[in-house]
Amino acid sequence: DAGVIQSPRHEVTEMGQEVTLRCKPISGHDYLFWYRQTMMRGLELLIYFNNNVPIDDSGMPEDRFSAKMPNASFSTLKIQPSEPRDSAVYFCASRDVNSGANVLTFGAGSRLTVL
Amino acid sequence: DQQVKQNSPSLSVQEGRISILNCDYTNSMFDYFLWYKKYPAEGPTFLISISSIKDKNEDGRFTVFLNKSAKHLSLHIVPSQPGDSAVYFCAASAGIGNKLVFGAGTILRVKS
Repeated sequence: DAGVIQSPRHEVTEMGQEVTLRCKPISGHDYLFWYRQTMMRGLELLIYFNNNVPIDDSGMPEDRFSAKMPNASFSTLKIQPSEPRDSAVYFCASRDVNSGANVLTFGAGSRLTVL
Repeated sequence: DQQVKQNSPSLSVQEGRISILNCDYTNSMFDYFLWYKKYPAEGPTFLISISSIKDKNEDGRFTVFLNKSAKHLSLHIVPSQPGDSAVYFCAASAGIGNKLVFGAGTILRVKS
């Protein structure tokens, strides 16, 4: 099992550009989470999906952020237009609720820098 | 509002001694708690968990203590090793299948 796969690992872009982050969860996991890590706020939950359906997007900062999960093996987090304050590390995580434990497996993260 | 708080941004401990990382929570509905460890350029990895029906859970050098009345939990690492140097996140959920709320993290540095 390759674990949770995120791409790109690093992204540097200019303010106003569109950014798309990608995630492939662990096969068979039915929950997918997007988190953002910043120095000030630590790990913030942005949105999570269950069986490809968004369950809670209350953590999405504003309308510039959107997330989709078109199928069980792929999700995207899009920022349009990007701003310097969006600079952070974005993590995707997945979970198998049938494992009986609330344990998330995280990807290695996508470090975003907006100039 | 931060429902899970780690008030110590960093901690420095000598190798072989005990490391104690603390976490406070405000939501009385939280009943499942976890600790994650994170190395630079990697994602957080699960370390140890505890449910609210227990007050202690031990796994090797790692022990988590839960004080429900004080809404406080702590992670003890004994003995501390240089490889334990990482960021430690406390997390909580209300119900085992619900979303995890994380604290801001504590940077642990174990000196050899």
